[in-house]
Amino acid sequence: DAGVTQSPTHLIKTRGQQVTLRCSPKSGHDTVSWYQQALGQGPQFIFQYYEEEERQRGNFPDRFSGHQFPNYSSELNVNALLLGDSALYLCASSLGQGNRDTQYFGPGTRLTVL
Amino acid sequence: QKEVEQNSGPLSVPEGAIASLNCTYSDRGSQSFFWYRQYSGKSPELIMFIYSNGDKEDGRFTAQLNKASQYVSLLIRDSQPSDSATYLCAVIGYSSASKIIFGSGTRLSIRP
Repeated sequence: DAGVTQSPTHLIKTRGQQVTLRCSPKSGHDTVSWYQQALGQGPQFIFQYYEEEERQRGNFPDRFSGHQFPNYSSELNVNALLLGDSALYLCASSLGQGNRDTQYFGPGTRLTVL
Repeated sequence: QKEVEQNSGPLSVPEGAIASLNCTYSDRGSQSFFWYRQYSGKSPELIMFIYSNGDKEDGRFTAQLNKASQYVSLLIRDSQPSDSATYLCAVIGYSSASKIIFGSGTRLSIRP
């Protein structure tokens, strides 16, 4: 049973560039959530996708956007990168959107913005 | 006031002892509560979830929930060096569907 996978593992970009991160959910899961985790902090919710639509969004600017594909995989796009966007980006998948649907995390993508 | 608060630690516990990790949350209507373990440089790993008041045990781990006090805790019995990690408390609020709010984590160190 494949768990949540993310690519790439690491990424280095410069300020102003754009980046796309990818996530494949755990087998059987249909909901993908994205989180940003800065060093020494807990993960912060960015947004959640279900049925190919953004269902919930955290306090992140419009530079952060996403997409979900028919196979439930998802992308996170960040435009006009800032130094402060350097973080571990985590994808979590679950079955459904209910508040008791346990989310499982992928290994993360470490983004460094220079 | 932060939505989910944890003592950042580090909490140092001798091997074989009980480690007690605590968390408070601000949304009184919160529905679901989770404990994740995160090793340095790795992603969070789910340890326990609890929905109802009281205790829930799973092996060496016990989660305790008190909704009246807006308090959730994690006990780790017979602590092992491999338990050394950051423990994240996470909560789903009443109105936030499946959006998880995390605390900033407590660093736990098990000393041999």
